[in-house]
Amino acid sequence: RKEVEQDPGPFNVPEGATVAFNCTYSNSASQSFFWYRQDCRKEPKLLMSVYSSGNEDGRFTAQLNRASQYISLLIRDSKLSDSATYLCVVKGGSYIPTFGRGTSLIVHP
Amino acid sequence: EPEVTQTPSHQVTQMGQEVILRCVPISNHLYFYWYRQILGQKVEFLVSFYNNEISEKSEIFDDQFSVERPDGSNFTLKIRSTKLEDSAMYFCASEREQGGTGELFFGEGSRLTVL
Repeated sequence: RKEVEQDPGPFNVPEGATVAFNCTYSNSASQSFFWYRQDCRKEPKLLMSVYSSGNEDGRFTAQLNRASQYISLLIRDSKLSDSATYLCVVKGGSYIPTFGRGTSLIVHP
Repeated sequence: EPEVTQTPSHQVTQMGQEVILRCVPISNHLYFYWYRQILGQKVEFLVSFYNNEISEKSEIFDDQFSVERPDGSNFTLKIRSTKLEDSAMYFCASEREQGGTGELFFGEGSRLTVL
């Protein structure tokens, strides 16, 4: 079983749509969780950390379900500029950030 | 805003040649990483470095690879004898402190093409 799994997509949505991405992780001892964004041929950049109680940053909401070892990212009112690959990142007991393959989002007019 | 810088941005080399990729992490950060990303694939962990020594390394990081921080500033990744399959984007990242909600700051990457 892969350490961090994501549906690669692509998710193709119109502007204004709400879209949700899921991520599962295999290591139950994982401590920290993040969503990063990666634009084409660019470096990953932190979008948001994921807290146990769930957290929101503007149009973005992240949720963590430790029992199911599952993380989600919800994007509301999608913008063209949201088009990117969204990377789920998990830190296990060794604190080494492990990346999922990423989910590609394409927002069209 | 402080940033991680990497050089070169792109290097083309012949198979079997040695390559050195350089990184200048953010100055007050303590943990340093190299990741690679083969085109179309995921970001893969290579090695982490703390207190002037390797703290973790992956199966990818075999004897062909080495890292060092020769002058307290630069953090280098050396590939001794490149193979075709080493062609990838190599990202350096630094972190102020490991664990918790620490954010990884990435450089823009060094694209390595092995012919």
